[in-house]
Amino acid sequence: QQPVQSPQAVILREGEDAVINCSSSKALYSVHWYRQKHGEAPVFLMILLKGGEQKGHEKISASFNEKKQQSSLYLTASQLSYSGTYFCGTEAMDSSYKLIFGSGTRLLVRP
Amino acid sequence: DAGITQSPRYKITETGRQVTLMCHQTWSHSYMFWYRQDLGHGLRLIYYSAAADITDKGEVPDGYVVSRSKTENFPLTLESATRSQTSVYFCASRWTSGAADTQYFGPGTRLTVL
Repeated sequence: QQPVQSPQAVILREGEDAVINCSSSKALYSVHWYRQKHGEAPVFLMILLKGGEQKGHEKISASFNEKKQQSSLYLTASQLSYSGTYFCGTEAMDSSYKLIFGSGTRLLVRP
Repeated sequence: DAGITQSPRYKITETGRQVTLMCHQTWSHSYMFWYRQDLGHGLRLIYYSAAADITDKGEVPDGYVVSRSKTENFPLTLESATRSQTSVYFCASRWTSGAADTQYFGPGTRLTVL
C-alpha cells in the first residue's frame, strides 16, 4: 500500500519554512526520506524508526508518529539548494526491508 | 570505484526484444532492489533480493526477471520489452543496521522502448 504524501507541490521564498507529510495505512517499522533533483538519483536524507522519534539534519528534521503511522519532514529557513522532489519511503512491520515510496512532493525555492 | 553503478545509463530498444540492465555494488550489502520511475511519478518496486540466490517480487514484477548469483550483482531482464516499460530504472542497495540503516540508489538507466 503506497503511502500518501501531501502537499503535492510547494513553492517557497528563500528563508521560508515548509512541512511535508507522509501517512500510511499499515503499521510501520520505519520511514525513510529522500530528495531527488531533476535527472538525478534519489539521495537519502534520514531514517526514522518505530518507537516514535524526531531527527535532525542541518535545517531539515523529521518526526514519526507511530500511533498515527504518519511522518513529517520539516524544512526550516529554506535554501535554493532545497529545491527538488521529496519522497517518503515506508517499511511495513511485515515487509522485510522493502521500501514503498509515496508519489513525491515537488518543492521549489525561489530567491 | 566504490558505490553502486548501473549500466547502460541509456538504452533504446524495440518492442519484443530482450533487454538486461546491470547493477553492481561494492559494499557487499545483503539487500538489493530494482525500482522504476515513470515521468512525474514516484518509485515503484519491481523486485528485491535479500541475499545471493534469494529474490522476491515487489509491486510491479510482471514482464521482468531477476537473478542474483553473486552478492554484488543484481541484473534485471525485460524478457520481451513493451512500450509501457519505457521508464527510468533505479537499482538500490541497503545497509541494514537499525538507526544507521541507509538505502543507496544507483544513477539510473533511462530505457526507451520503441
